[in-house]
Amino acid sequence: VIWMTQSPSLLSASTGDRVIISCRMSQGISSYLAWYQQKPGKAPELLIYAASTLQSGVPSRFSGSGSGTDFTLTISCLQSEDFATYYCQQYYSFPRTFGQGTKVEIK
Amino acid sequence: QVQLVESGGGVVQPGRSLRLSCAASGFTFSSYGMHWVRQAPGKGLEWVAVIWYDGSNKYYADSVKGRFTISRDNSKNTLYLQMNSLRAEDTAVYYCAREAITMVRGVIMPRGLDYWGQGTLVTVSS
Repeated sequence: VIWMTQSPSLLSASTGDRVIISCRMSQGISSYLAWYQQKPGKAPELLIYAASTLQSGVPSRFSGSGSGTDFTLTISCLQSEDFATYYCQQYYSFPRTFGQGTKVEIK
Repeated sequence: QVQLVESGGGVVQPGRSLRLSCAASGFTFSSYGMHWVRQAPGKGLEWVAVIWYDGSNKYYADSVKGRFTISRDNSKNTLYLQMNSLRAEDTAVYYCAREAITMVRGVIMPRGLDYWGQGTLVTVSS
């Protein structure tokens, strides 16, 4: 099983801020990592796959980087609609695993 | 447009069974691997199971292995999750999700879960 450590679990930020969320793997997964956004009462939405490729329709203020064991999701200029919970997920091996989640809240 | 609609959730007693369904439309269902992911109230996402596009391979989370069975009927564009010996800790919203794929140098590669259903709530309680 690949264990994932996502940090921070809670991030307080203001509109316009640059925020960075980290995801660390217990073993290397190349670039087989996805990031999702989830708003309360809604299903998650795919933001980024292959660690750094933006899903169609996702704003360019979102970006991903990393490979191997360390990955980051960056939101360059936080907008009001970005306040949500974010999850990383590895799809390198089964069982697929998700990070614990990062809630981005209004400061 | 792609749609995934789960059904079959409800309140069930510990030790009993329940079968969830996920009706797919708007894409060629038989070409995609499909997953179940769950989320306990107030908690994070937990991957549950996957089935290959043709049903040839299935994988499960350790927490449900031996109790849950994923299956599909490509003629009905429907994904299923048979849940037996249910426990209180299985209480969650259950989502079905499509595995996005991409072709890299002639090889089909996964690229995350690109479409999700709205979820169906399963409550295990006496």
